[in-house]
Amino acid sequence: AQSVTQPDIHITVSEGASLELRCNYSYGATPYLFWYVQSPGQGLQLLLKYFSGDTLVQGIKGFEAEFKRSQSSFNLRKPSVHWSDAAEYFCAVGSSSGNTGKLIFGQGTTLQVKP
Amino acid sequence: DTAVSQTPKYLVTQMGNDKSIKCEQNLGHDTMYWYKQDSKKFLKIMFSYNNKELIINETVPNRFSPKSPDKAHLNLHINSLELGDSAVYFCASSARTSGDTQYFGPGTRLTVL
Repeated sequence: AQSVTQPDIHITVSEGASLELRCNYSYGATPYLFWYVQSPGQGLQLLLKYFSGDTLVQGIKGFEAEFKRSQSSFNLRKPSVHWSDAAEYFCAVGSSSGNTGKLIFGQGTTLQVKP
Repeated sequence: DTAVSQTPKYLVTQMGNDKSIKCEQNLGHDTMYWYKQDSKKFLKIMFSYNNKELIINETVPNRFSPKSPDKAHLNLHINSLELGDSAVYFCASSARTSGDTQYFGPGTRLTVL
């Protein structure tokens, strides 16, 4: 069965520091992978996605993520965090077979940014 | 223009009542979804519709009934509300069903007293 694990429930970084949020997935075939961000009281906004091709994908707001098949990981990174990046981050996996569009989400990582 | 909109944003009601949440998308997408986010922020899909046809029903109690009058709308009706139904409900849409980006609405926070 598909599953997504975000090992870090809560992360605190200083403004200007680098950031890496971890995501591990379990899926039999090549998955579609997504990172979404949820600001307080808001819906989810797509940061970036991986379908195929280059394993390093660039997203909005200066984020990037790297797909590593051997490690079943899709970690999100940002070289320099801004206070406005404080939010909830969700990794999700979608099926590359079948025709349902179903997304499986991780538990989320809360990012706190210290001034 | 709002791409995916939901009404109401907040809904407070008593146990046993029946309520509806409406969702509309103006993106021209074929597929729409309902997700439930619980108090621990865990997101789980409930339903998805493609061209008004139900394609996912994730073991949701039959008190929950989605209705899609047309491709742009997917409403969620909940009968006999229970305390455990308190959550944030998100509507989403995508152009296709297979691995396409899903665009989320702002959510409806349902509180059952």
